[in-house]
Amino acid sequence: RKEVEQDPGPFNVPEGATVAFNCTYSNSASQSFFWYRQDCRKEPKLLMSVYSSGNEDGRFTAQLNRASQYISLLIRDSKLSDSATYLCVVNMELSNFGNEKLTFGTGTRLTIIP
Amino acid sequence: GAGVSQSPRYKVAKRGQDVALRCDPISGHVSLFWYQQALGQGPEFLTYFQNEAQLDKSGLPSDRFFAERPEGSVSTLKIQRTQQEDSAVYLCASSIGSYNEQFFGPGTRLTVL
Repeated sequence: RKEVEQDPGPFNVPEGATVAFNCTYSNSASQSFFWYRQDCRKEPKLLMSVYSSGNEDGRFTAQLNRASQYISLLIRDSKLSDSATYLCVVNMELSNFGNEKLTFGTGTRLTIIP
Repeated sequence: GAGVSQSPRYKVAKRGQDVALRCDPISGHVSLFWYQQALGQGPEFLTYFQNEAQLDKSGLPSDRFFAERPEGSVSTLKIQRTQQEDSAVYLCASSIGSYNEQFFGPGTRLTVL
């Protein structure tokens, strides 16, 4: 089983619609959680961190369910510019050195259709 | 301001050739990471430096892969005797310290023929 699992998609969604992605992780000791965005042939960029209480940034809402070990991302009123691959990322603390290791999911490819 | 830079951006190597990939992190960033991203996959962790110390190299796929950061700034990932399965994008990321946001460079796309 992969440490971080995502539905690879593709998701083809009309402009203005709401779309949601889920992601599951296997290590219950995981410490922190993120969504990264990666445009075609570009580097990943942090979209938002995910907090236990849930958090919102404009049209984007992220939620964490530690009991079920899943993370979600909701995009409301989708724009053409939201077309990208969304990577679910988990940070597992490996040691007391502050040794961190980001584990990425495969990514979910989203295309917003005009 | 300058972000993370990587060179070369593209590298074509013949099987068996040695390659060296360079990463210039953001100035002052203590932590530096290397990832490998195969086509259609998410980045996979290779190794991690805190200043010049290589704290974790558990993701390096074989002893043909070697990374260094001798002065705690620029880092080099070296791949000896390249194989076709080494073809991937190699991403470098840096952060100001532990558990801070990682900023990624544009990557080096390595193709091994």
